[in-house]
Formats: sequence, structure tokens, C-alpha cells
Amino acid sequence: DADVTQTPRNRITKTGKRIMLECSQTKGHDRMYWYRQDPGLGLRLIYYSFDVKDINKGEISDGYSVSRQAQAKFSLSLESAIPNQTALYFCATRGLENTEAFFGQGTRLTVV
Amino acid sequence: DQQVKQNSPSLSVQEGRISILNCDYTNSMFDYFLWYKKYPAEGPTFLISISSIKDKNEDGRFTVFLNKSAKHLSLHIVPSQPGDSAVYFCAASGQELIFGTGTRLQVFP
Repeated sequence: DADVTQTPRNRITKTGKRIMLECSQTKGHDRMYWYRQDPGLGLRLIYYSFDVKDINKGEISDGYSVSRQAQAKFSLSLESAIPNQTALYFCATRGLENTEAFFGQGTRLTVV
Repeated sequence: DQQVKQNSPSLSVQEGRISILNCDYTNSMFDYFLWYKKYPAEGPTFLISISSIKDKNEDGRFTVFLNKSAKHLSLHIVPSQPGDSAVYFCAASGQELIFGTGTRLQVFP
């Protein structure tokens, strides 16, 4: 089983719909991150969390919200999806600040 | 403005030669730097890292160099192999973990 699991792996949704992407981890890490990947733009940080009570906006948080339900779970929501949110979304976890982060397999989201 | 930049979108290298991937950053508060490798349809995987107190870290064929005064780091792969063909991301860590735009490396026979 993967250490960082993202669901769903693929999703097509319509403009204006609410959608939630889920991430769970078994590494016992406190730090969790959400990124989106777009061609030519690399991985951009959406939100990050250092523990259940600590949520921080990243570079591109507009149009997104997150929920840290437990140490192991960090969900990303698009309240009203729009086509330019079509992207590959990655969740990552990290133990301590100056250590490596571990990524999930990604969720490919298409908004039509 | 992007805090971490990889100015070369792509790089093509012959098998056996050296691959050099470059990365620049703007925030002097970053104190830890990482390189990740990504294949299509997979999540990024960690390759090598370096702390800001060092200027070089080596792991097998991979070496990362850090020039703090220039806010520049580079990844050297020697010798390059076809299996190294992937997208490489550099990342910088402070409170956040910020990634660059990526460089697509192609190693040809």
C-alpha cells in the first residue's frame, strides 16, 4: 500500500460543481501539502498544514479550501469548479522541516 | 514572482555524458534544497537534498551544488543513463516547500 494515497485518481466535473479531493497518509507526518501541476508552471503550492489546527495559504489558494480532518487526512475542495482549475493535483507529506516530502500518485481533474 | 526558477525547460544529453540541471531562488530565508524526479502519471520522487550549511552533497551518480551567494543550485548526473529521462524539479524549503517549473531531461543513446 502506498504511504500517501489520493482519491480519486481521475475526475471529470462540470463548471460550477463542488468537488473534494482527498489525501491520506500512513507515515505519521504532521506536515501535509497540496500542489497543482500545470504544463510550464511546475508544481505550485495551494495550501499546507503543519498540524490539525494549523492551515496556511500557499502561492495560489484562491478558489480552493482545505480541511485537515486528522493528522493522516488532508482534503482539498473546489467550491465552484472552473475550467482553469483543470490540472494535475498532488498531495505531499513531510515529517520535519528540513527533510524530504513524500508525494501521492496525483489526481487528474478536468473541469468542463 | 516565482521564488524558485528553472530557466531551462528541457535538456538533451547523450548517454554516458554529464547532465547539469540548474535552479535559481530569490528568498534568502530558504535553508534546505531538494531535487525531485518525475515520470508521467506518477508523483514526484525524492532524489537528493542539501542543507544551506553545505555547498555540495553527493549520492552515487547524483551531486548537488549550492552557491548561496548567487542563490543558485545545480544537479549533476554522471554518467547519464536513458532511465534518467524524466522531469526534474528543484525545491526550496523554509516555512513552505516551493518548487520550480521543472526541466525535462532526455538522455539518448
